[in-house]
Order: sequence, then C-alpha cells, then structure tokens
Amino acid sequence: QSALTQPASVSGSPGQSISISCTGTSSDVGAYNYVSWYQQHPGKAPKLMIYDVSNRPSGVSTRFSGSKSGNTASLTISGLQAEDEAEYYCSSHTTSSTSVFGTGTKVTVL
Amino acid sequence: QVTLKESGPALVKPTQTLTLTCTFSGFSLNTGGMRVSWIRQPPGKALEWLARIDWDDEKFYSTSLKTRLTISKDTSKNQVVLTMTNMDPVDTATYYCARYAISGYHFDYWGQGTLVTVSS
Repeated sequence: QSALTQPASVSGSPGQSISISCTGTSSDVGAYNYVSWYQQHPGKAPKLMIYDVSNRPSGVSTRFSGSKSGNTASLTISGLQAEDEAEYYCSSHTTSSTSVFGTGTKVTVL
Repeated sequence: QVTLKESGPALVKPTQTLTLTCTFSGFSLNTGGMRVSWIRQPPGKALEWLARIDWDDEKFYSTSLKTRLTISKDTSKNQVVLTMTNMDPVDTATYYCARYAISGYHFDYWGQGTLVTVSS
C-alpha cells in the first residue's frame, strides 16, 4: 500500500484560505468516502480535524472543511490563523480493510 | 473519557524483538465495532499505519511489514500488544496506538506516543 500523495508544504498569510490535496487510488481515496485529516503540532499526537471526507468532529473550527473528487481529497483552511501552522496528514480506509496515510504537508502562516 | 497510552522499551538493539503495549480506558474491545490500530512516525517523517485488531479478533497488517508484526489483545486488561521482530535502526520512531471510531473509518482518539530508538 503506497502512501497517499500530499504537497510537502503550503503557505498563506493570516486571513487567507489554503487548500491541501491528497491523491490516492481507486483502492483507497477513490473507493469510499472514508478520508480523514489530522493536524499535528511538533511533539504532539495527531488530532482529528475532518472525517468521512467533509465532517468535522465536535470542537473543530468551521474554518476547516473537506471535499473529494475521484481519487483526490482536499482540506481547506479558511481565515488562516497563526495557530493553524502545523503538519497535516490525510488518511483513507482501503479496499483491503487497512489504512493508509498521506506524505504530510507542512502549513506555514506567513 | 477515552484515553490510550503506549508503553514499552525506549531502546532496543538491532535484531531484537520489540513489544509495545497500548493500555486504554473509556471503551472495551469486547464491544462490537471497536478497533485499535498501531501507527508509527520516524523522526521528521510521515505517519505510517502498521496494524489493527478488531473486537472480533480480526487482524490486519501493513503489507510491507506483515511478516514482522503480530497484534493481539487482552480484553480483561484493556490492552493491545504489538510485537515487531528483527528490529533495525530504520524502525526508530514514535509509536502510537489509536482507536478507530466505532462504526467509522477514522482515528478519533490517539495515545501520546512512545519513542523507540533502535541502536547497538
């Protein structure tokens, strides 16, 4: 199972919107609506931000949203804030009933 | 509330077998739909899914590491154990356990992680 492909880095100024892509295959991202996104600050465990492509857990800011088209999912952060600076990972359930993570994207707030 | 905590050796030698324990609370692996995974992250690198065990004792493994991994559970102790054989310096990583959401396909709760260094 190969890792899902994400851009290595994305940056934006405070208040702007950014998007992070996550490209997989028909065996993972394209197979189900089971893509999730995690935020990870240095030295911390990942935190669930989006599940089932576009659902937000309780307590996650509405500035975070998700979508999917074919084998590519996307995470959008609107109204970028300094606290959003972190590493972001996508993940997908697969047709083998396993899980796969993305390569990770470093978000920098300029 | 749901908590998970990893424990195990901080240092192992090459070729040794690593045994990690995930002790959890706030849920039971006897409950239908409950699942726990192990995930690792080498320093400065991406997350890598390793294995999962389900409430019905079904087990799933990373294709690339399948021959080296064994996952098991002790429901009486609320623990999930991962063993990895033939450890190598490239296996140096923070190892996390995480709960797969009940009736869902995402990791809703994570442990704090435990750093394992492989070195002679």
